[in-house]
Amino acid sequence: GQNIDQPTEMTATEGAIVQINCTYQTSGFNGLFWYQQHAGEAPTFLSYNVLDGLEEKGRFSSFLSRSKGYSYLLLKELQMKDSASYLCALDAGAGSYQLTFGKGTKLSVIP
Amino acid sequence: DTEVTQTPKHLVMGMTNKKSLKCEQHMGHRAMYWYKQKAKKPPELMFVYSYEKLSINESVPSRFSPECPNSSLLNLHLHALQPEDSALYLCASSQGENEQFFGPGTRLTVL
Repeated sequence: GQNIDQPTEMTATEGAIVQINCTYQTSGFNGLFWYQQHAGEAPTFLSYNVLDGLEEKGRFSSFLSRSKGYSYLLLKELQMKDSASYLCALDAGAGSYQLTFGKGTKLSVIP
Repeated sequence: DTEVTQTPKHLVMGMTNKKSLKCEQHMGHRAMYWYKQKAKKPPELMFVYSYEKLSINESVPSRFSPECPNSSLLNLHLHALQPEDSALYLCASSQGENEQFFGPGTRLTVL
């Protein structure tokens, strides 16, 4: 099975940097996704890490360490529109098509 | 066309009704998914279709019946639902085991 942990809520200030952590216990996985979900809307893809290390995409970066069972999403130059839930998800791979989501971290950006 | 569409956006039904949710994508994706999401919870996988064949059924009650008429369409037939089935139902598609693209969802209320 898979167990994924994320903080439930975080608050950060506009213009700042915030790091959202995700720890997991699993017997194996293909890669780790981060999705953003605004209230009442569908999740949208942010990043996918297969290899250890940092993947950078504009203001958003994601990091994976398989040996530590740990990932984080780094959001820079926070904007009010970044207020949303951020979901970490494991891709089981091996032809299973299964994506298991963590409970999500609700980020509130304040002025 | 790079989106997944879902109809209807909102649905209210009684416990004796029969209704269907529809999902469509024209990205040539070969995998399509149904998720159920309750408020403040992550999406939970219900069904996966791969190449129009049901490959995963996550122990979903038989009152939910999926159907994949062709590679672009995915339906979810609903019958004799319970109030606790009220949730956001998300459809997603992917090309293989990569990034899943989510539709906007159908918000279902069972009275």
